[in-house]
Amino acid sequence: QQQVKQSPQSLIVQKGGISIINCAYENTAFDYFPWYQQFPGKGPALLIAIRPDVSEKKEGRFTISFNKSAKQFSLHIMDSQPGDSATYFCAATIQGAQKLVFGQGTRLTINP
Amino acid sequence: DVKVTQSSRYLVKRTGEKVFLECVQDMDHENMFWYRQDPGLGLRLIYFSYDVKMKEKGDIPEGYSVSREKKERFSLILESASTNQTSMYLCASSIAGGSHNEQFFGPGTRLTVL
Repeated sequence: QQQVKQSPQSLIVQKGGISIINCAYENTAFDYFPWYQQFPGKGPALLIAIRPDVSEKKEGRFTISFNKSAKQFSLHIMDSQPGDSATYFCAATIQGAQKLVFGQGTRLTINP
Repeated sequence: DVKVTQSSRYLVKRTGEKVFLECVQDMDHENMFWYRQDPGLGLRLIYFSYDVKMKEKGDIPEGYSVSREKKERFSLILESASTNQTSMYLCASSIAGGSHNEQFFGPGTRLTVL
């Protein structure tokens, strides 16, 4: 079974700190890696995504770092804010596959 | 705005009952998905539909069936609910074709089976 392994399962960060969530995958055919953000009582929503032809993608305070040789990618949240408190899911897919393989999720809490 | 709605936010059923979870999307998406979300296990795909009356098993289809009679509506059916089906159920939709398509999720239905 194709898998994406995500860690940590939960994370507590002080306001203003850097939050880091890591994911590792097995299938080298994966070619698109999105992150989804889920607030309590809501469904997940696409936050940011990266393709393996770049090593980093930044959108505001959110950055994905990608290491193709290690088959790992990570989400960095700079200057973390209490409003960033949510559950984050990494995912992976193959072009044209239509389906996503999700990681186990990370519950992030930003303390004020 | 894409909108995916689910018929119930909370549902309590008894073991052995037949349960219907309904999902409707308003963006004319071809693809629709049912996931269950459990702590530490992430989102696991139950069933996927890429067209009306078409369905494909996901990773954990056992104990579930689906129905898609209209493009905008995708139903998840628990023929005989069991306590191990207590979970959060999420519906999602996406357009077909293209290289990588964003999935849009509903708010979820928290199902408790007693």
